[in-house]
Amino acid sequence: GAVVSQHPSRVICKSGTSVKIECRSLDFQATTMFWYRQFPKQSLMLMATSNEGSKATYEQGVEKDKFLINHASLTLSTLTVTSAHPEDSSFYICSAPSRLGGELFFGEGSRLTVL
Amino acid sequence: QKEVEQDPGPLSVPEGAIVSLNCTYSNSAFQYFMWYRQYSRKGPELLMYTYSSGNKEDGRFTAQVDKSSKYISLFIRDSQPSDSATYLCAMSDSGAGSYQLTFGKGTKLSVIP
Repeated sequence: GAVVSQHPSRVICKSGTSVKIECRSLDFQATTMFWYRQFPKQSLMLMATSNEGSKATYEQGVEKDKFLINHASLTLSTLTVTSAHPEDSSFYICSAPSRLGGELFFGEGSRLTVL
Repeated sequence: QKEVEQDPGPLSVPEGAIVSLNCTYSNSAFQYFMWYRQYSRKGPELLMYTYSSGNKEDGRFTAQVDKSSKYISLFIRDSQPSDSATYLCAMSDSGAGSYQLTFGKGTKLSVIP
């Protein structure tokens, strides 16, 4: 079946540094991918919609200059957390639809800890 | 009032028990309802998907939607330790194709052998 892969699964970084998280669709093409953030005991919150070949669409309250999204190919979207701070520590999850209108598949998530 | 309310638990049941998980919502425009299972430190995986009111059964899992009460449920029969996970409800007003899902906080379930 369709699989979405995320890397790294866990990352620890110092405050002020930037971290890149990759999201790949392994056996299907995804012109659209979604990035979520999940704090402990909280809902998944949609951060942004990544669009292949064009700018990402950010949800209200999400700083686009802080969370840089690049969707350079039909199988890869990246989320870069710039100048990370401890409050950015969270579980970041990407997802992609297997086809237009199809099931939404989630990656395994990336746990970011900013010291 | 939050759009989707879900009791975070934790909920602990003995193996073989029937589990009932619920969500309430306030947006009457929601028509598509989903249940996801999320194991610890993993991404969510789709369990059940229903449209509008009614019941849907898949093996040990039954999803119910009552739009008049804005209430959805997931029942797990003959629960197994492998069912231990966090269960998230999600809903949309524009269909799975739009992917504008609103999630509940998730209910953490532990099935004790």
